[in-house]
Amino acid sequence: LAKTTQPISMDSYEGQEVNITCSHNNIATNDYITWYQQFPSQGPRFIIQGYKTKVTNEVASLFIPADRKSSTLSLPRVSLSDTAVYYCLVELKGGATNKLIFGTGTLLAVQP
Amino acid sequence: GAVVSQHPSWVICKSGTSVKIECRSLDFQATTMFWYRQFPKQSLMLMATSNEGSKATYEQGVEKDKFLINHASLTLSTLTVTSAHPEDSSFYICSASLPGGYGYTFGSGTRLTVV
Repeated sequence: LAKTTQPISMDSYEGQEVNITCSHNNIATNDYITWYQQFPSQGPRFIIQGYKTKVTNEVASLFIPADRKSSTLSLPRVSLSDTAVYYCLVELKGGATNKLIFGTGTLLAVQP
Repeated sequence: GAVVSQHPSWVICKSGTSVKIECRSLDFQATTMFWYRQFPKQSLMLMATSNEGSKATYEQGVEKDKFLINHASLTLSTLTVTSAHPEDSSFYICSASLPGGYGYTFGSGTRLTVV
C-alpha cells in the first residue's frame, strides 16, 4: 500500500482557493488517488478520485502530474463550512476488498 | 447513493460491560466491511476487515477477543466491545466496500464513552 504524506494543517480565509498537496511516491500502476473529507464526529465523506491529469466535480478539482507521485486537491472559494480534515488515500481500483489505510490528513481551518 | 447506517451514534457504558455497534448497508450488499477507531485529533486506525460469512481479519495489535466482529449477512456487520474499559473510549467508524470494488462508503460513526 502506497504511503501518503500531506501537510498536517493549513489556514485559509473565506473566498480563497485552497490547494492541498499530497505525495505518494510509491504509487502503483493500478492505484487511484482519492480524497476524503471528515468533519468532527462524522465518518469520512468521498470528495473526488482520479488516476491522472485533471478531474473536476461540483466541489473540487484534482490535479495529478504525469509521474503520479503527487496530487493536489483544489477547493475553489472556500467557506467556513469547508473547515475539516482532508485525507489523501491511494486505492486499488476494483479492489475495494482491500483495506484502506488513512494517513495523518490535513486540517484545513477557514477563517472569516 | 450507497449508504451505510451506523448505530448507535453515541453510547455511554460502565466499565466491564459490553457494547454492540451495528453497521448496515441500506441499499446495497456489502461483501466486505471495515472497522476503524479514531482517537481525538488523530487519524482513523483500521481495526479489522470483515467478510460476510467468514472470520474477520484483525490488524496487528487489535485484540480479537475484545473486539468481536460478526458479519453474518451481506447488509450487517457488528462490532462488540467486550468488557469495556475507559481506554476503549473512542470514535468507532465502519466502512463498506461498494459493489464492483469501486470505492468505499463510511458510516457516521459511534462515540463510545466508558465510565
